[in-house]
Amino acid sequence: GQQLNQSPQSMFIQEGEDVSMNCTSSSIFNTWLWYKQDPGEGPVLLIALYKAGELTSNGRLTAQFGITRKDSFLNISASIPSDVGIYFCAGQLGGSNYKLTFGKGTLLTVNP
Amino acid sequence: DGGITQSPKYLFRKEGQNVTLSCEQNLNHDAMYWYRQDPGQGLRLIYYSQIVNDFQKGDIAEGYSVSREKKESFPLTVTSAQKNPTAFYLCASSQLETQYFGPGTRLLVL
Repeated sequence: GQQLNQSPQSMFIQEGEDVSMNCTSSSIFNTWLWYKQDPGEGPVLLIALYKAGELTSNGRLTAQFGITRKDSFLNISASIPSDVGIYFCAGQLGGSNYKLTFGKGTLLTVNP
Repeated sequence: DGGITQSPKYLFRKEGQNVTLSCEQNLNHDAMYWYRQDPGQGLRLIYYSQIVNDFQKGDIAEGYSVSREKKESFPLTVTSAQKNPTAFYLCASSQLETQYFGPGTRLLVL
């Protein structure tokens, strides 16, 4: 199946620092999605990207759809303790099949 | 409130037993999905359904079965053929590309 490489696997940062994580693929995607998952809960959608080059913000979060359509990054500015969790990227190939391919996640720990 | 509900939150299965996980959505979405999540792993697709009365196998369908008799419901049965069922199971739904997830069911084997 499709492969998404998400990095880093984990990050340990101080409160107030900025964070960056990214996903790369060997395939071209039509849609990139970023989710956050708290322990024992379902993933929550943070940002959806639908066009190559698109840069979208949601509060302190900013994500970009890479121009090659094979990568995407997520930045979190001025991190706070509640940013702790696992962040997943997901890509969708397009067409009538809406199956997503997920990265393995980035575990973010924020030290107050 | 619009959303996706999964029940139960925790489920225990005895050896050789089939168990059914419930997923209901009131978002009027056509497509629904079941994923399995193991510690340190991404989400792996078990089954998906793009329309009522139709469903397709995902990447790890062996040992699982589903039905889609109603638009709002997509139950997953973990059969006795699934030898390693302990995992966190997530249901999702979508109208187009963007999938929204339920809160999950944790299945444990006694």
